[in-house]
Amino acid sequence: AAGVIQSPRHLIKEKRETATLKCYPIPRHDTVYWYQQGPGQDPQFLISFYEKMQSDKGSIPDRFSAQQFSDYHSELNMSSLELGDSALYFCASSFHRTASTDTQYFGPGTRLTVL
Amino acid sequence: GEDVEQSLFLSVREGDSSVINCTYTDSSSTYLYWYKQEPGAGLQLLTYIFSNMDMKQDQRLTVLLNKKDKHLSLRIADTQTGDSAIYFCAELTSNTGKLIFGQGTTLQVKP
Repeated sequence: AAGVIQSPRHLIKEKRETATLKCYPIPRHDTVYWYQQGPGQDPQFLISFYEKMQSDKGSIPDRFSAQQFSDYHSELNMSSLELGDSALYFCASSFHRTASTDTQYFGPGTRLTVL
Repeated sequence: GEDVEQSLFLSVREGDSSVINCTYTDSSSTYLYWYKQEPGAGLQLLTYIFSNMDMKQDQRLTVLLNKKDKHLSLRIADTQTGDSAIYFCAELTSNTGKLIFGQGTTLQVKP
């Protein structure tokens, strides 16, 4: 079965640079979530989109922005990168925000290293 | 506020049962999940339970939910070395779609 695809899998950037992470949800899934997992930490919710509209916002820095496109893929844009942004960034997708289970399926993650 | 707590480490011998515990605070949680994360890998959905259920069994996995005490547990029967990983419990908050994760329990399985 198709899973959530994230690209790139690994990314190395310098401080103050920008990065763009991409997420392709499971086909027919209309909701995308972004999470950040620091080293040894649990995943923290950043932001979510349902039908291309932002549906919820968590602890996402103002330097980060995200959007969901007409084909339901999503991009997380990160600017003025800081050392503390080094983390594993997960995208998850689910079908229909208001459905009973709302079960989120996670992608393999993008490991961002800021030097 | 929303908070999910787990014990950080569990060590068992191969063939034994493992029980990983989790407590949560949001009484309006609708679904509770267990995810498995192997080193350097993504989050694999293991199982979930709806908040009006007490128990769910799926092959070697048994989930028990005590809604009154807001306590969730995952039992793995006949634990294998391949079960060594970090196990996260997570609650789905009722008024948003976001998951709140516990800190994760590292399961070490000794041969």
